[in-house]
Amino acid sequence: QVQVQESGPGLVKPSETLSLICTVFGDSMFTKKHTWGWVRQSPGGGLEWIGSISYARGTFDNPSLKSRVTMSLDTSNNQFSLKLRSVTAADTAVYYCGRVEPAVETIDTPSAFDIWGPGTMVTVSS
Amino acid sequence: YELTQPPSVSVSPGQTARITCSGDAVARQYSYWFQQKPGQAPLLVIYKGTERPSGIPERLSGSTSGTTATLTISEVQAEDEGDYYCHSAGMFGGGTRLSVL
Repeated sequence: QVQVQESGPGLVKPSETLSLICTVFGDSMFTKKHTWGWVRQSPGGGLEWIGSISYARGTFDNPSLKSRVTMSLDTSNNQFSLKLRSVTAADTAVYYCGRVEPAVETIDTPSAFDIWGPGTMVTVSS
Repeated sequence: YELTQPPSVSVSPGQTARITCSGDAVARQYSYWFQQKPGQAPLLVIYKGTERPSGIPERLSGSTSGTTATLTISEVQAEDEGDYYCHSAGMFGGGTRLSVL
């Protein structure tokens, strides 16, 4: 049974970089086998796909955030990470990591997760 | 692209609830539906427009016609209350609050 868990600072200053890590629990090969990604949810409730990453196929970005986002995969530690640069108050949200539904990861935009972490709240404030 | 959902739907227990999601993306790529309850992460309930993940009741079904995707919940129960989000082409709809009267 695959599980994922987000970790990182809960408070980031404006203009700085938000950094989060997602740890994958289960088969040690899972990070190589599947596509993983990030979604955030604003305090008002709206969901936004940030991007996804695959060992075999690289990264997939939301065009609206692409210029500020870097994602990476650490298969030796079964983790993947998100960096969001130049943050503002509008980036305050609950950030979720997850696994892209395997049935669609190669035939559709890889943005629909079948496994989600519990989420971590990140506040951008000075 | 944009995905438009009604803000709220209300039904009585045992009735059928239908939640729509309209947008050009629905006609071009697969649609998905997520259920979210307070304080919890979203839960995938429909993928590829009509498929149900393991453990999702048969009472929940998805369909697509043109630019509109529909989530149908038959024999609605109190446990179905929550927010439902459609998803397609990397975008999410604004969400629909399902209330069971």
